[in-house]
Amino acid sequence: AQSVAQPEDQVNVAEGNPLTVKCTYSVSGNPYLFWYVQYPNRGLQFLLKYITGDNLVKGSYGFEAEFNKSQTSFHLKKPSALVSDSALYFCAVRDTDNYGQNFVFGPGTRLSVLP
Amino acid sequence: EAQVTQNPRYLITVTGKKLTVTCSQNMNHEYMSWYRQDPGLGLRQIYYSMNVEVTDKGDVPEGYKVSRKEKRNFPLILESPSPNQTSLYFCASSLSLGPGNTIYFGEGSWLTVV
Repeated sequence: AQSVAQPEDQVNVAEGNPLTVKCTYSVSGNPYLFWYVQYPNRGLQFLLKYITGDNLVKGSYGFEAEFNKSQTSFHLKKPSALVSDSALYFCAVRDTDNYGQNFVFGPGTRLSVLP
Repeated sequence: EAQVTQNPRYLITVTGKKLTVTCSQNMNHEYMSWYRQDPGLGLRQIYYSMNVEVTDKGDVPEGYKVSRKEKRNFPLILESPSPNQTSLYFCASSLSLGPGNTIYFGEGSWLTVV
């Protein structure tokens, strides 16, 4: 069965510094990987996805993510964090062998960007 | 504007009183789904629907019902709510079951069962 892990409950970073939110996955087929962000009292918003091709994926709000097949990872990154990036971030995977199960989400990582 | 709309956004109800959370999407999406979000557990799928009149259980279907009589609507029904169903609920949709399709979420419905 597919699964997603986000090993950090909380990530703190100073404004202007680079940020990384980690995600690892397990699937039986090929992974389709997604990052979503949730601001307080809001629904989840799509940031970016990896389907195939270039391992570095660029998304909304200056975020990017790097797919690493050997490490089964899909870490979210941003070169320079903003206070407004503070939110809850979810990694999700869809497995090409089991896509009837739709998305499997990680537990979420709360990002706090300190001014 | 393309969106997924849920109602109500906030609800406090009593144990055993049937309630329905409505969900509607205006993107002509085939696939719709319900999730609940609980602290430390992320999002867990309750039910999903691949098209009209086609529904299936997700990971945590107990205590819930759904129906898909029209393509745009996918209501979530709690026949006899219990306190352990207090949660934040999200409706979502995507164009189809194709794995590369992005899923779009509603704004969420906060449900408290006392």
